[in-house]
Amino acid sequence: NAGVTQTPKFQVLKTGQSMTLQCAQDMNHEYMSWYRQDPGMGLRLIHYSVGAGITDQGEVPNGYNVSRSTTEDFPLRLLSAAPSQTSVYFCASRGEASYEQYFGPGTRLTVT
Amino acid sequence: GEDVEQSLFLSVREGDSSVINCTYTDSSSTYLYWYKQEPGAGLQLLTYIFSNMDMKQDQRLTVLLNKKDKHLSLRIADTQTGDSAIYFCADTGGGNKLTFGTGTQLKVEL
Repeated sequence: NAGVTQTPKFQVLKTGQSMTLQCAQDMNHEYMSWYRQDPGMGLRLIHYSVGAGITDQGEVPNGYNVSRSTTEDFPLRLLSAAPSQTSVYFCASRGEASYEQYFGPGTRLTVT
Repeated sequence: GEDVEQSLFLSVREGDSSVINCTYTDSSSTYLYWYKQEPGAGLQLLTYIFSNMDMKQDQRLTVLLNKKDKHLSLRIADTQTGDSAIYFCADTGGGNKLTFGTGTQLKVEL
């Protein structure tokens, strides 16, 4: 199993550009989440999904969209990037009957 | 909403014990977790404790939970340089979403 994979590892965007951060898992997990990590603020939940076709907002959803058309994939879209979205983004997944979340390696995004 | 707090930094000498503390506000928490993040990497689950337990030991790790005070701690015995990392506590509250603390940067000095 590859676990949770994220692409790209690094990305630089200009203000106003759009992009999609990719996340995939091969463990057949129902739950998938996107977090952002900022210094001194821990991880904050952006969006999450409890299964294909079902998504919901987390703590900091503004400026981000998600969709879950398959169990394996959970892309995060930035519609119009802003410098405040400079952060490290982590995708995570877990099975329905499990307490353990598995994290991807992260995407470091810089918006200039 | 739920609030989880940790001190930002801890420095210890190699071979000493480290104690990382965490406080949380949601009294309906069912699971509480400790994650470790090494530089440039994602988070890795270290250990967890159910809310009906007050202690869990796993090799060099001891987790203590004081549910009355909503206080969680992680003790690392015989701390090694490889233990240098950021440690996050997290809890699920009464649902499926994890709320993370700010993270404690552990520095192990020779």
